[in-house]
Amino acid sequence: DAKTTQPNSMESNEEEPVHLPCNHSTISGTDYIHWYRQLPSQGPEYVIHGLTSNVNNRMASLAIAEDRKSSTLILHRATLRDAAVYYCILRDDVGGGADGLTFGKGTHLIIQP
Amino acid sequence: KAGVTQTPRYLIKTRGQQVTLSCSPISGHRSVSWYQQTPGQGLQFLFEYFSETQRNKGNFPGRFSGRQFSNSRSEMNVSTLELGDSALYLCASSLAGQVEKLFFGSGTQLSVL
Repeated sequence: DAKTTQPNSMESNEEEPVHLPCNHSTISGTDYIHWYRQLPSQGPEYVIHGLTSNVNNRMASLAIAEDRKSSTLILHRATLRDAAVYYCILRDDVGGGADGLTFGKGTHLIIQP
Repeated sequence: KAGVTQTPRYLIKTRGQQVTLSCSPISGHRSVSWYQQTPGQGLQFLFEYFSETQRNKGNFPGRFSGRQFSNSRSEMNVSTLELGDSALYLCASSLAGQVEKLFFGSGTQLSVL
C-alpha cells in the first residue's frame, strides 16, 4: 500500500471546524482513501472513506484533491469526544479480500474546551 | 447489535509461555483480522481469516498463529512468548464483501514479564 504523511499533532478549539490533512503523492488509481480514529483505550473506529469524489457522512467529510495526491478530513464542529489519533490509510481494494490496513503514526488531535 | 468482543481484556504472562486470545465478531461478519499495537511500531497487521481460512498474513514470525471457527469466532495464539510481544492485540471484523469498513474490538492488553 502507498505511504501517507500526516502531521504528528494538531490542536483545535471545541465547537470549531477541524481540517486534518493527509498527503499521499504516490497514490495509485485504485487506492481508496480511508480514515480511522482511535480514542484513548479503545480500538480504531472507522470514520469515512472515498476514491475520487468528496464524501460526507454523519461523522465527517472527506475532501479529495483533484489529482488525489492529498485529502482532508473535516470535522465540522469538534467536541471533546473527537480528541483521538486520526489515521489516513490507502488501500487497494481491487483484489478483494481484507488485506491488512497499513497504519502510520496518525495525527494526534487535541481539542481545547 | 453487539460489537466485537475480545477476551480477556488484560493478560500477564512470563517469557516462554504461550497465550491464546479470543475474538467474537459482530453477528453476521465473516471476516476477522488481527492487529498488534505497540508504542514503538504502532498498529501492525497480523493475519486475516474468512470462512475458516487464512486469507492474508502480515510479517510476523511463525510463533503467531490463528484460526477461525465455523461460527466466525477467532482465536490467535502466541507461543514461546518474548518480552517484545507485550502489546495491545486488536481484533477487527467486517462483512464479507465490505472489506473497507472494519469494526475493531477494544483489544487484549498482553504483558510479558
